[in-house]
Amino acid sequence: DGGITQSPKYLFRKEGQNVTLSCEQNLNHDAMYWYRQDPGQGLRLIYYSQIVNDFQKGDIAEGYSVSREKKESFPLTVTSAQKNPTAFYLCASSPGTGDGYGYTFGSGTRLTVV
Amino acid sequence: GENVEQHPSTLSVQEGDSAVIKCTYSDSASNYFPWYKQELGKRPQLIIDIRSNVGEKKDQRIAVTLNKTAKHFSLHITETQPEDSAVYFCAWSEGGGNKLTFGTGTQLKVEL
Repeated sequence: DGGITQSPKYLFRKEGQNVTLSCEQNLNHDAMYWYRQDPGQGLRLIYYSQIVNDFQKGDIAEGYSVSREKKESFPLTVTSAQKNPTAFYLCASSPGTGDGYGYTFGSGTRLTVV
Repeated sequence: GENVEQHPSTLSVQEGDSAVIKCTYSDSASNYFPWYKQELGKRPQLIIDIRSNVGEKKDQRIAVTLNKTAKHFSLHITETQPEDSAVYFCAWSEGGGNKLTFGTGTQLKVEL
């Protein structure tokens, strides 16, 4: 999957349940990002990490949590505090933290609340 | 984050015609402006990008122009083909860093 792998492809969550979305990259990229995409809308930033053991909130971080214990991995947990989690989640990475690096995206995880 | 206005939200053209999508941004510190193409159910893919030190960049049928004074940049697709049908997103780097803010997307449909 082009060096960045998201799993699972489809995920179903029950009310009140926490779920974790996986994102792994073998591109040796420093920076990683999580975006949420709703139908007919653009990509909204949830969290990002520019270096191991460090991450920052994006525009819509409430109800989500992340960790960055390894350079290759940036898992996203959707907690029960996120009241409307049904969406398409995209993970991305980029080579550096300076200006002018394009993102490589994973193939996405489609999360549905049942 | 800062806003990116993207227009139009939908665009329908005949095969062979040109398509133009425009984005307006607000942060004058931004120096990097990529465009992504997303086919239905798939990941966005980078198709072209431009940096602030140039005004235009071309790659075969695709070109991007940048007007830093007016804070807008545009994607131009010439000789459109059915496989160009997709959602296109503009983006720009916030504050000159690497975190990208995306536009709301343009659904392009190329009709036979």
